[in-house]
Amino acid sequence: NAGVTQTPKFQVLKTGQSMTLQCAQDMNHEYMSWYRQDPGMGLRLIHYSVGAGITDQGEVPNGYNVSRSTTEDFPLRLLSAAPSQTSVYFCASSYLRDYANTGELFFGEGSRLTVL
Amino acid sequence: AQTVTQSQPEMSVQEAETVTLSCTYDTSESNYYLFWYKQPPSRQMILVIRQEAYKQQNATENRFSVNFQKAAKSFSLKISDSQLGDTAMYFCAFLSQGGSEKLVFGKGMKLTVNP
Repeated sequence: NAGVTQTPKFQVLKTGQSMTLQCAQDMNHEYMSWYRQDPGMGLRLIHYSVGAGITDQGEVPNGYNVSRSTTEDFPLRLLSAAPSQTSVYFCASSYLRDYANTGELFFGEGSRLTVL
Repeated sequence: AQTVTQSQPEMSVQEAETVTLSCTYDTSESNYYLFWYKQPPSRQMILVIRQEAYKQQNATENRFSVNFQKAAKSFSLKISDSQLGDTAMYFCAFLSQGGSEKLVFGKGMKLTVNP
């Protein structure tokens, strides 16, 4: 059972470049989300999805796009990277019913992005 | 909006000792969940313990227990018999039971267990 898989684990970009962080889960979870982690800031929610075709904004959505065409995948797109987007990004998922009842999320291992 | 505050950025403890990590939160809701997540150096986030706000009994999971004070909006984590493997970042988190679907994290606290 692979769980939540994020790729790439490390990436260096130049300002203005675009890229996609991939997230895939094999647990048939309805709920998927993206967080960014910055020193002294904890984890902040970027976007989330409660099922295929449904996405919504979190606390810090600006500069990021998401889509949810399948249950398994939830890619995060940076259209024009900025140094302020240097961070560690985490994808997390859960069964929606479990999430509502327990709040437990299953996290990927994170992707470290540096924007020069 | 809910906020979660972890006022201690860093702590250290000797192996086998007991340590308490503090967390306070602010909400106007009456039904919610509180969590402690652990992030070891491997970066993987792991759920340590969960507390439902409607339950008066404090949650326990082996060496981990919480002191939940609803009126004071306080949610501390006690780690007994600390082990080297407990060295990690610890995050307190809040989830509204009202369907907001947004888990709100505190800024985290770095715990180091020394041999």
